[in-house]
This record gives sequence, C-alpha cells and structure tokens, in this order.
Amino acid sequence: AQSVTQLGSHVSVSEGALVLLRCNYSSSVPPYLFWYVQYPNQGLQLLLKYTSAATLVKGINGFEAEFKKSETSFHLTKPSAHMSDAAEYFCAVSDPHYGQNFVFGPGTRLSVLP
Amino acid sequence: GAVVSQHPSRVICKSGTSVKIECRSLDFQATTMFWYRQFPKQSLMLMATSNEGSKATYEQGVEKDKFLINHASLTLSTLTVTSAHPEDSSFYICSARKAGEDTQYFGPGTRLTVL
Repeated sequence: AQSVTQLGSHVSVSEGALVLLRCNYSSSVPPYLFWYVQYPNQGLQLLLKYTSAATLVKGINGFEAEFKKSETSFHLTKPSAHMSDAAEYFCAVSDPHYGQNFVFGPGTRLSVLP
Repeated sequence: GAVVSQHPSRVICKSGTSVKIECRSLDFQATTMFWYRQFPKQSLMLMATSNEGSKATYEQGVEKDKFLINHASLTLSTLTVTSAHPEDSSFYICSARKAGEDTQYFGPGTRLTVL
C-alpha cells in the first residue's frame, strides 16, 4: 500500500529565506508524485508533478521538487519565500498502474515571517 | 484550462435535511471525479470515486446510502448528503480527471455546517 509522510506539520521561514518542505513516500512501484497548495477555505492548486520524466521538476510560483528514488523523497523547495507563500502544502502519490487514486500526506503549514 | 467549480461554496442546514453539492468541470470533460472530505487542520480523505455513467466506488467506511454520488455527465458530478447530522459538518472537495491523464484538478470546496 502506498503512503506519504510529510516531516513537519508546521514550518516557519523568514521572508526571503529558503523554503524546504519534506515529502517521503512508500510505494511498491515507481509512483507519480504531486505537490498541491491550499489557501484557507479554498480547494487545492497543483504546484508541480513528477510522472517519470525529469527528476527535477519545476512548478508554478518559483517552486521546484526533486524526485530521489534512492531516498524515496520528493521534497519541495523555493529559493526565496514570499509572504504570499503562506499556505498549507500537500504531497500526494498515485500508482500509475492501479487506478491512479491519490494518497495525500498529512500536509505542512508554511508560515512566512516578515 | 482545467477549471473545476463547486456549488454552493457554503451551506448551512438543519439536522435531518439533505444537501446536494455540485461539482462541474468547466472547460474539459472529466471521465473520473473524486469526492474528498477534509476536517479542520487535517488532510484530504477520499470518500468515493465516480466514473461517468457508472456507479461510484466508495472507500471503506463511507456509507453509500448516506453520501449519494451521481456522475450523469462528463462535466457534472453531485454529492448528496442525506439526513445530515452535525457530525457530517466538514469541508467537501471534489476533483476531476481527464481521460488518460494522471493529474486531478480540484474544486474550491464546499463548507457544510449542520445545525
């Protein structure tokens, strides 16, 4: 069975600092991996996805993530945090060979301090 | 492209009544739609998956007679919470997926409050 862990339920960074949100997965097959962002009382917006092409994936709003099979990780980074990046971030995994349903991680709330 | 809408965005109802939530894909055809439930400060829990023209597949522990899902067209799925009770109060989010693709596109969510 697939599962996703996100280390750190809450991460705080200063404006302009590096953002690093961690995601580790377990899957019996090479998975597809996604990062979504959720602002308060809103749905989820796709930031980026990995679907077995390039291991370094660039997304919207300056975010990127690197798929590391040896570490079963898909950490999300952004070089310089903006106040508008404050939100909840969810990592999700899907098995491309089994229905492609998502399994979401518990989420990480990012706070950006002025 | 790939915009998903939900209606209503908020609904308050009395205990015992039924509430219908609509999920529409506005600029694409969604062969599969998903319904999730999200409790405060928690992740999304998949409730059911529906394919156009067929019965929904419910996750373990989700009462199919309580949460009725209809996916009558390639652009519309509805979730009806029947005989709602306060414990059904939650944030309900739908998503839609195009045929042959892997990405799910999410709606803005519906906040249900049952008094």
